[in-house]
Amino acid sequence: QQKVQQSPESLSVPEGGMASLNCTSSDRNFQYFWWYRQHSGEGPKALMSIFSDGDKKEGRFTAHLNKASLHVSLHIRDSQPSDSALYFCAASPSDNNAPRFGAGTKLTVKP
Amino acid sequence: EAAVTQSPRNKVAVTGGKVTLSCNQTNNHNNMYWYRQDTGHGLRLIHYSYGAGSTEKGDIPDGYKASRPSQENFSLILELATPSQTSVYFCASGDWALYEQYFGPGTRLTVL
Repeated sequence: QQKVQQSPESLSVPEGGMASLNCTSSDRNFQYFWWYRQHSGEGPKALMSIFSDGDKKEGRFTAHLNKASLHVSLHIRDSQPSDSALYFCAASPSDNNAPRFGAGTKLTVKP
Repeated sequence: EAAVTQSPRNKVAVTGGKVTLSCNQTNNHNNMYWYRQDTGHGLRLIHYSYGAGSTEKGDIPDGYKASRPSQENFSLILELATPSQTSVYFCASGDWALYEQYFGPGTRLTVL
């Protein structure tokens, strides 16, 4: 059983819209979270990490972590067609432990 | 930016054959990882390493071996390849201070 679950499996938003992705860990030891993005034909690239409760903002991307529920979300405002990609959530028991990944959310931003 | 290279980029193997996938990083990262990516499963951890000479089992190690002969190189070995090992394999490197992993471009392996 995967320790990281993501929803939805796929998501379509209009250009300029807000995209919201969700992630939950089923293991209470997994409290360190990352978001990765993978464009077709490439390896995943890290977007941001979040280790503390609350929000973390980097440009158009905002992550929110609730440690009590082990739920993390990613919100992309002003979505662009170049944001169309596969988004992965990853989690680990510590910042130096091998992260485990969810199945991913496929985001499509329509012009 | 941190660089991770993988070879080969594409590989076709026969059932029962031996396959070696290679990974090289020039960033002096201590940690290296092997994942496979399959639709519906995301990235699954096969083996990882904390430094030269060390290898650790991930979540799906059966049928795979790993070797870390140096800080820069980390190999994944399929001694007896099976069609179920057809997948895209990603290598990654990282360091605890960086809080993230850097992935290679992937190797597409097809076992016939």
